[in-house]
Amino acid sequence: GAVVSQHPSRVICKSGTSVKIECRSLDFQATTMFWYRQFPKKSLMLMATSNEGSKATYEQGVEKDKFLINHASLTLSTLTVTSAHPEDSSFYICSARGTGNSGNTIYFGEGSWLTVV
Amino acid sequence: QKEVEQNSGPLSVPEGAIASLNCTYSDRGSQSFFWYRQYSGKSPELIMFIYSNGDKEDGRFTAQLNKASQYVSLLIRDSQPSDSATYLCAVNPQAGNLIFGKGTKLSVKP
Repeated sequence: GAVVSQHPSRVICKSGTSVKIECRSLDFQATTMFWYRQFPKKSLMLMATSNEGSKATYEQGVEKDKFLINHASLTLSTLTVTSAHPEDSSFYICSARGTGNSGNTIYFGEGSWLTVV
Repeated sequence: QKEVEQNSGPLSVPEGAIASLNCTYSDRGSQSFFWYRQYSGKSPELIMFIYSNGDKEDGRFTAQLNKASQYVSLLIRDSQPSDSATYLCAVNPQAGNLIFGKGTKLSVKP
């Protein structure tokens, strides 16, 4: 199957700082990427949908100025958590929708654990 | 509101048994259906997808789709303790992005 790589896998940051998480599709072009957040033992929560070359579409309740998403190329999307607070500590997962033979299948990155101290 | 419903479980089966995971969806125009497995602390991984009514088999896994009943299921034969995870059903509606169910937690007891 297609590969989506996410980096870093774990990050600890101080409250008030910003953290950037990268999501790359390694062997296919992803016109659309998705960012999710998942708290322990809870369901995936879609934060935003990112389309290459355009502004991200955020889900209701997600602060777009706090969670900055950039999808500058067909293989890379980034999520920046700005002015992080302890309550932002969570598991952040990206996914990408393939094109061509990958069709409408969604592939997930490995996820990034963010701890804000 | 397009919805995908799954029983949250936990579903507990003995090792070697068949585990049956069920999912219903509300958008009758949905075209493609996916099953993901998520281990605790890990991201979801794709197990199978199915587009047509009927059964699709891949190893110990069988996906079953019934569009008339808006029902999709996943059967795991010869369940192993390593199959213990949360199984997410996802549906591609006629319009819009993939919709995920909340997942069913499966526990396979040795």
